[in-house]
Amino acid sequence: NAGVMQNPRHLVRRRGQEARLRCSPMKGHSHVYWYRQLPEEGLKFMVYLQKENIIDESGMPKERFSAEFPKEGPSILRIQQVVRGDSAAYFCASSPWTGEQYFGPGTRLTVT
Amino acid sequence: AQTVTQSQPEMSVQEAETVTLSCTYDTSESDYYLFWYKQPPSRQMILVIRQEAYKQQNATENRFSVNFQKAAKSFSLKISDSQLGDAAMYFCAYRPSNNNDMRFGAGTRLTVKP
Repeated sequence: NAGVMQNPRHLVRRRGQEARLRCSPMKGHSHVYWYRQLPEEGLKFMVYLQKENIIDESGMPKERFSAEFPKEGPSILRIQQVVRGDSAAYFCASSPWTGEQYFGPGTRLTVT
Repeated sequence: AQTVTQSQPEMSVQEAETVTLSCTYDTSESDYYLFWYKQPPSRQMILVIRQEAYKQQNATENRFSVNFQKAAKSFSLKISDSQLGDAAMYFCAYRPSNNNDMRFGAGTRLTVKP
């Protein structure tokens, strides 16, 4: 059973471009969470999704950020018109329902 | 609001010695989970140990154990017989039992000296 997969592992975008981060949960897991980690800080919750539904997006900035978890395919975290402050590591985690969250290796986004 | 506080930004320990990392949290919930995660330089988040708040017995995983003081809202991690591979950032995390919203502390960077 492969773990949580995230790609790309590293992503470089110029200011104003769009960033798309992908997360494939562990097999059998229908819950996905996205976290952001700024340098030297802990993980900050962004959004919690189940298949085709956003359950809690209280940690997500209101503008430029969106997330989806379609019926088929990976969960996508999309950042439009990126700015330097978006540079961070973005982690995805998955769980079968309430319970243990298993983390992916993260995507490091650098905005130049 | 639930918050998690790790008051030690950095700690160091001699190889084979014991070290304790501190964590306190604030919540009005009575049922919840507490976790310690390890983040080595690879940045992969690795679950070290978890504790259910309703359990009085402290969780133990090999060289890792916790001191859970529910009344004091304290959840410290003890690492015994420290190894070089234990060097990492350690994050304390809290999650209520009735939802999946996990909150993390700011982390403690542990250095292990040979």
